[in-house]
Amino acid sequence: GAGVSQSPRYKVAKRGQDVALRCDPISGHVSLFWYQQALGQGPEFLTYFQNEAQLDKSGLPSDRFFAERPEGSVSTLKIQRTQQEDSAVYLCASSLAIGGDREEAFFGQGTRLTVV
Amino acid sequence: AQSVTQLGSHVSVSEGALVLLRCNYSSSVPPYLFWYVQYPNQGLQLLLKYTTGATLVKGINGFEAEFKKSETSFHLTKPSAHMSDAAEYFCAVTEPNDMRFGAGTRLTVKP
Repeated sequence: GAGVSQSPRYKVAKRGQDVALRCDPISGHVSLFWYQQALGQGPEFLTYFQNEAQLDKSGLPSDRFFAERPEGSVSTLKIQRTQQEDSAVYLCASSLAIGGDREEAFFGQGTRLTVV
Repeated sequence: AQSVTQLGSHVSVSEGALVLLRCNYSSSVPPYLFWYVQYPNQGLQLLLKYTTGATLVKGINGFEAEFKKSETSFHLTKPSAHMSDAAEYFCAVTEPNDMRFGAGTRLTVKP
């Protein structure tokens, strides 16, 4: 596709429900990032993939959060037993590489998760 | 690990006035620095970036930023604000395999 695509755009989940958020990066992009953006805040790093390898998951706030990118393209962020504090916009970004002169990250429009 | 501090969560200017949004960073390696803009209900859009070379970089919509290593700063400026510039602006710093954002500055432009 032309850009990074995230689905769904909006998700309302009942507290305790599991959710899965999808990210389709730009074709050929090696690097993929997930961020959490709470209302009025900047994006907070969650996790980073290089192809299918999850190189950094230090930003995942708890073991209820899990991300995968099994074939090095589409990625899924899963949140188990959602809590109200999980309500945020979840942003996905991809780039050709990190390092060198090709490190610009392209962002999707995000998935707004509301836990009620 | 790198970090970014944006001074001022809200900046308000009059249309036609100078825009100055401040960003300071810390990084253990020579940084790559970015400014992104976010309009309501939209994703982040790259305004400009600094990697190497010229320290004054020009971006879209008339914005520019200057990398000052001695001050660890990368402030964003625009000589004359437009109403359409009203948005949230984020400064970001990258090291290999990592990109971190500031908390953002909301720019309001008054007629």
